[in-house]
Amino acid sequence: QVQLQQWGAGLLKPSETLSLTCAVYGGSFSGYYWSWIRQPPGRGLEWIGEINPSGSTNFNPSLKSRVTMSVDTSRNQFSLKLSSVTAADTAVYYCARGRIRGYCSGGSCSILDYWGQGTQVTVSS
Amino acid sequence: DIQMTQSPSSLSASVGDSVTITCQASQDITNYLNWYQQKPGKAPKLLIYDASSLETGVPSRFSGSGFGTAFTFTISSLQPEDIATYYCQQYDNLFTFGGGTKVEIK
Repeated sequence: QVQLQQWGAGLLKPSETLSLTCAVYGGSFSGYYWSWIRQPPGRGLEWIGEINPSGSTNFNPSLKSRVTMSVDTSRNQFSLKLSSVTAADTAVYYCARGRIRGYCSGGSCSILDYWGQGTQVTVSS
Repeated sequence: DIQMTQSPSSLSASVGDSVTITCQASQDITNYLNWYQQKPGKAPKLLIYDASSLETGVPSRFSGSGFGTAFTFTISSLQPEDIATYYCQQYDNLFTFGGGTKVEIK
């Protein structure tokens, strides 16, 4: 059974860099895209970006200037960095697997089928 | 950017009722539309993919339909364990989620 386990710092000060890592267990790492999604308190879901094992990335245009993603295929892990955080970045952050479907207008054309447990990140001075 | 408009934002129904949620895309996304269920404090769970395909292990009381810009999600007989927030999501061009529908028991 595929499992995604994520971790990272939960409390940040404004202007710091958020850093999260997600490890994949029980399934193949190659052949999929790997995404980050966040959910501010009491609000809906916002996709942040995705990466494949070759390091190819796609990002949400609204966050692109602050997002960096990386992948470690030797450990079946991928990571997110979000720079210059503010209180607006306070959210639960999820990692997820993208099951590729075919050809779409843009992005990986994948379905987010397995999700991590979520990490609460709070930005406060 | 593709915008997803989901309605209603909340609904209350009795056990056994049929429940329907709609989702409108701002442009044609063919059938690149998924539905997720999220219970409080938990990660979203994929229920329906490609507008109408049931994910493995999901009860058959959940169904989806639609193509292009208009989509529908139905729970044929609402059960107490279906209390959750449901989201539509397009994946034709990157990913965008609808605003969510909170389903409660009357």
